[in-house]
Amino acid sequence: EAGVTQSPTHLIKTRGQQATLRCSPISGHTSVYWYQQALGLGLQFLLWYDEGEERNRGNFPPRFSGRQFPNYSSELNVNALELEDSALYLCASSEGLGEYNEQFFGPGTRLTVL
Amino acid sequence: QKEVEQNSGPLSVPEGAIASLNCTYSDRGSQSFFWYRQYSGKSPELIMSIYSNGDKEDGRFTAQLNKASQYVSLLIRDSQPSDSATYLCAVNPAYTGTASKLTFGTGTRLQVTL
Repeated sequence: EAGVTQSPTHLIKTRGQQATLRCSPISGHTSVYWYQQALGLGLQFLLWYDEGEERNRGNFPPRFSGRQFPNYSSELNVNALELEDSALYLCASSEGLGEYNEQFFGPGTRLTVL
Repeated sequence: QKEVEQNSGPLSVPEGAIASLNCTYSDRGSQSFFWYRQYSGKSPELIMSIYSNGDKEDGRFTAQLNKASQYVSLLIRDSQPSDSATYLCAVNPAYTGTASKLTFGTGTRLQVTL
């Protein structure tokens, strides 16, 4: 069974640009989560989508946004990039709503903002 | 007080010994708890989940949960050099229908020495 996939693996942008990151969940999973892991910091929750709806949002500015498509894949958009947005962006998926659902991570997209 | 606290380490144990990793959390209503292993430069890999007080064993790994003390631990028996990684404790706070997300500790770095 294929795991969570993310693209691209690496992304280099300059300040002020926009970045788009993509994620495909494990087959059968309807929930997609986005996390940011900046150097020296822990994993920070960004966004959670389930069945096409945004279910919860972490403490990040509105320039971090995303969506979930009918096939449950998801996209994270970061507008007006800042240097501190440089981080590993991780996508995870789970079977759906419920606090007992295990989340499985993809390999991540490393975003570098110059 | 951080929501999920872990000793950053490094925790150094000799090969074959038991490694004990600890985690405390602040939300008394938390219902589900997870341990992830993260190798340097890689994404987190789920190794254990636990939902009820007591012990849960899976191979060389044992997760222990004490909700009264708001404490969760991971024991690794017969530690191997390949176990050298950062171990992340993750907690799903009390589920309110739309608030389900994982809160991560900053991780404990484990070094298994020959």
